Amino acid sequence: QSALTQPRSVSGSPGQSVTISCTGTSSDVAGYNYVSWYQQHPGKAPKLMIYDVTERPSGVPDRFSGSKSGNTASLTISGLQAEDEADYYCCSYAGSYTYVFGTGTKVTVL
Amino acid sequence: EVQLLESGGGLVQPGGSLRLSCAASGFTFSTYAMTWVRQAPGKGLEWVSGISGGGGNAYYADSVKGRFSISRDNSKNTLYLQMNSLRAEDTAVYYCAKGRGTLTINWFDPWGQGTLVTVSS
Repeated sequence: QSALTQPRSVSGSPGQSVTISCTGTSSDVAGYNYVSWYQQHPGKAPKLMIYDVTERPSGVPDRFSGSKSGNTASLTISGLQAEDEADYYCCSYAGSYTYVFGTGTKVTVL
Repeated sequence: EVQLLESGGGLVQPGGSLRLSCAASGFTFSTYAMTWVRQAPGKGLEWVSGISGGGGNAYYADSVKGRFSISRDNSKNTLYLQMNSLRAEDTAVYYCAKGRGTLTINWFDPWGQGTLVTVSS
C-alpha cells in the first residue's frame, strides 16, 4: 500500500491550535474506523496518542483530539505546549490484517 | 508495567540473515497480538508484520513477504522476526509493539525502544 499523505510540517505558537491531516483512500482511512496517531520525539520510540479515530488513551492530555471525514483523518492539538514539538504519524488499518502509516508531520512550537 | 525489549540487531551483509527478539513483560503475552514496525534512518514508520496471540496467524507487508518470518514463543514471552535475504533498504530501527487483542492489532501500544539493523557490505 502507499503511505498515507500528511503535511511535511505544521507550526504554531504556544497556546494556539494546530491540525494535522492524514489523507488515504477508500481502502484504508475511509473504509475503517481504525485510525491511530503516534507522537515521536527525536531518538525515542513512538507513543500512542489517539486510537479508533477519536479515542484517547489514559494519560494523554485532552488537548489532543482526533476526527475523520471521508478519506481524511485529522489530529488537533489545542493549547499547544513546548513539549508537543515532535513528529506525528497517523496509521490506518488497510484490510487483510495489514496497516499503513502516514508520511509523518513535524510539529514546531514557535 | 508493560515492557518490551528488542534485541538481535546489528550489521549484516546484503543477502544475509538476522533474527530479532522482543522480550515482553507486565502483561499476559499469549492473549495479545504483536507487531513489528521499522523506521529507516531519517525516514517515517513502516508496518512490517503482525502475529495473533496464539501464533497461528501471521501477516506481512508486501515489502518483506517471502523474506521475513514472524513467530512467537508464548512460554518464553518472546516475539521473533527472522529476516532473510536482507537488502540495503531493510536498514532501519525495528520496533516491536503490543496490539489491541488476541486476534486484532488495530493500534500499537506500547512500543519497545527499538533495535538497529544495518545491511551493508
